[in-house]
Amino acid sequence: AQRVTQPEKLLSVFKGAPVELKCNYSYSGSPELFWYVQYSRQRLQLLLRHISRESIKGFTADLNKGETSFHLKKPFAQEEDSAMYYCALSGAETSYDKVIFGPGTSLSVIP
Amino acid sequence: DAGVTQSPTHLIKTRGQQVTLRCSPKSGHDTVSWYQQALGQGPQFIFQYYEEEERQRGNFPDRFSGHQFPNYSSELNVNALLLGDSALYLCASSLVGESPLHFGNGTRLTVT
Repeated sequence: AQRVTQPEKLLSVFKGAPVELKCNYSYSGSPELFWYVQYSRQRLQLLLRHISRESIKGFTADLNKGETSFHLKKPFAQEEDSAMYYCALSGAETSYDKVIFGPGTSLSVIP
Repeated sequence: DAGVTQSPTHLIKTRGQQVTLRCSPKSGHDTVSWYQQALGQGPQFIFQYYEEEERQRGNFPDRFSGHQFPNYSSELNVNALLLGDSALYLCASSLVGESPLHFGNGTRLTVT
């Protein structure tokens, strides 16, 4: 079954510390992986996708097919990074336009 | 470009009633997807509309239905509301075959 897991519901880090939000997935084919972010009182928005291999707002994520993981990382957390983060996937087996989301991790950056 | 717009912002209904939520896609997009986000959970795919037809559907009962209009806007209808239907309903738009990258602000539905 296609599934996304995010083991941490809440994650607190100090400003300037490195941050890693974990994401694991199960998928029978080759998925496309995403990270979405939702800041307080704002809409859900795409942060990054693995096929573009971009670094957005200092965040990066590497797809590890062996470990079926797509962890989100940032070397130095900022207060404005506090938000809800959702890992998600799509793919040919579920149709690229149907996105499966994980339960989300709430990141709190302590000043 | 206004992006994806949804109305209303908030809605309170009584169990057993029916509700209609509306969505206008981002300019240039032809596909609308609807998601339900219960409190503390990630969004769950309800269904998707393209060319005025339901293109695919998630694991939701027939009480959930939709419609897409010639201008690509869409409605989500929920009949016989249950307390468990209380959630944030998100609309996303895209081009057909592409993953949805643009979401609306959502409609917060409360069923009492």
